[in-house]
Amino acid sequence: TQLLEQSPQFLSIQEGENLTVYCNSSSVFSSLQWYRQEPGEGPVLLVTVVTGGEVKKLKRLTFQFGDARKDSSLHITAAQPGDTGLYLCAGHSGGYQKVTFGTGTKLQVIP
Amino acid sequence: DVKVTQSSRYLVKRTGEKVFLECVQDMDHENMFWYRQDPGLGLRLIYFSYDVKMKEKGDIPEGYSVSREKKERFSLILESASTNQTSMYLCASSLEGDTGELFFGEGSRLTVL
Repeated sequence: TQLLEQSPQFLSIQEGENLTVYCNSSSVFSSLQWYRQEPGEGPVLLVTVVTGGEVKKLKRLTFQFGDARKDSSLHITAAQPGDTGLYLCAGHSGGYQKVTFGTGTKLQVIP
Repeated sequence: DVKVTQSSRYLVKRTGEKVFLECVQDMDHENMFWYRQDPGLGLRLIYFSYDVKMKEKGDIPEGYSVSREKKERFSLILESASTNQTSMYLCASSLEGDTGELFFGEGSRLTVL
């Protein structure tokens, strides 16, 4: 069974601080996605990474895929209250394989 | 903009009632999925479909069935609702292929009394 462990589970920080969320697995994935989910809503896709070592930036968010394609990180610079939400990583092994979701990181950014 | 629409945002049903949750996507995606999301348990896959009239069991199919008569529509059915099916239900779709990218609906919050 593939597992994706995210850390930390909960994070409460002040506006303007930086933070990093980690997503780790013992399995290799052909692609990995990051989603953000706001309370009472469905997850929204933020980014897909497919190449080992790949780095993608989305404004203040930086996503990295590990060299071995088993882990990923999400770094947020100068967090804002609008970044508050549940961050989910998800790994896909290709073809008709199911997507494996991480355990989630709940982020609260305090104004 | 891509869109996945779930028929009801909030439902309250009684134990034993039959419940239909409908999902429609306008992106011509081949794949559709039903998940439930519970605190501490994350997202769990109930059923999925890779084509019209095709369905596959996910990780927790017990107590649920699905129907996919048209490509754009995927319905989740609870034949006899129970209190342990109180949850947030999420429908998603994806293109055929290797990316694994899922597009989710807004969710249906079901409470079974």
